[in-house]
Amino acid sequence: DSGVTQTPKHLITATGQRVTLRCSPRSGDLSVYWYQQSLDQGLQFLIQYYNGEERAKGNILERFSAQQFPDLHSELNLSSLELGDSALYFCASSPQVMGSRETQYFGPGTRLLVL
Amino acid sequence: QQPVQSPQAVILREGEDAVINCSSSKALYSVHWYRQKHGEAPVFLMILLKGGEQKGHEKISASFNEKKQQSSLYLTASQLSYSGTYFCGTELYSGAGSYQLTFGKGTKLSVIP
Repeated sequence: DSGVTQTPKHLITATGQRVTLRCSPRSGDLSVYWYQQSLDQGLQFLIQYYNGEERAKGNILERFSAQQFPDLHSELNLSSLELGDSALYFCASSPQVMGSRETQYFGPGTRLLVL
Repeated sequence: QQPVQSPQAVILREGEDAVINCSSSKALYSVHWYRQKHGEAPVFLMILLKGGEQKGHEKISASFNEKKQQSSLYLTASQLSYSGTYFCGTELYSGAGSYQLTFGKGTKLSVIP
């Protein structure tokens, strides 16, 4: 158990809908990262927050957005869902920002299925 | 820029050794190695830093060639529990004081009795 929690564990929804994925980082960690993992693309970095502020953006679609709240939990919002958005979404946390030579601890993931 | 991992897959018998390679075309700040078992989250194994410092797993070793921007993960005397997909993540400076971790496509390792 990494100490990172994600809810829900599974999510089934229809195309065009909007969903919110939630992540609570390890106690004391200030950075939260979101990744998308699909079969053919591997782990794709989406976005990073540090202490409530966006720090880095990766391959995140405009239909997706995220935020980190004062209590450091984070939410990833996916809207106008398409079949291709079906994937495993991981949240990870670390004490500081990337570049501080620290590892990331991954949550168990949310499996999203868009029908 | 996604790092390139090789081989894509490898099958070992218990007790055999394996090497997994990771290369990048960009100057790397650090290299991270993770193992992921099917249906589970990636788990940290090792981080290699510029200058030769390493942090990580006791039974797994790795190297980082800064000149070639390559890293290799060495799995010795493999055990059944080593089975999984191994990902290397390369940490690059992405501008404005930010860094990004970009993962390779993974190497699937299967250890058989």
